[in-house]
Amino acid sequence: NAGVTQTPKFQVLKTGQSMTLQCAQDMNHEYMSWYRQDPGMGLRLIHYSVGAGITDQGEVPNGYNVSRSTTEDFPLRLLSAAPSQTSVYFCASSYSLLAENTGELFFGEGSRLTVL
Amino acid sequence: GDSVTQMEGPVTLSEEAFLTINCTYTATGYPSLFWYVQYPGEGLQLLLKATKADDKGSNKGFEATYRKETTSFHLEKGSVQVSDSAVYFCALSRWGGSYIPTFGRGTSLIVHP
Repeated sequence: NAGVTQTPKFQVLKTGQSMTLQCAQDMNHEYMSWYRQDPGMGLRLIHYSVGAGITDQGEVPNGYNVSRSTTEDFPLRLLSAAPSQTSVYFCASSYSLLAENTGELFFGEGSRLTVL
Repeated sequence: GDSVTQMEGPVTLSEEAFLTINCTYTATGYPSLFWYVQYPGEGLQLLLKATKADDKGSNKGFEATYRKETTSFHLEKGSVQVSDSAVYFCALSRWGGSYIPTFGRGTSLIVHP
């Protein structure tokens, strides 16, 4: 039972490079999201999706792009990495945003990104 | 908008001590409330939840009661262990609003032998 799988777990980039953090879930969840976690800042929502083909911005979307072509996958793209994007990134999913769902999130193990 | 406030850490305790981590929330309607735990080097995982007023969530010796009158969901454990050392996040999710979960900033717990 894989749950939410994130790759890579660790990545070092140089300023200006691009990369994609992958996120996949095998629970048929409609809702998927990306957070970044920084010391003293808690979790901050970057982007989220309520279903295939639908994405929206969260609290800190600048510098990041997402797409949702399938229910299972929700990649996060950094087009031109900056040192301020050094962080730990978490993908999280949930069944749906319908009333019968209590809103519990299932998290991946995280991707630690360092931008030099 | 919705918000969650939890006590700042770190909270440092000796093994077998009593733990309380305070959490209060602001939200209209009837949110569901959660405690997540993050062990070192791992992602968050659900610890317990409560979906309506006066419900008590419990798991692994931890408990929290949904108090609508005080808009609180304090986390308690009667006797902590070194293995409980982690970061604890209080969160809410509210249908009818954005429904996107709202998290507190997290409270670090350090338990010494």
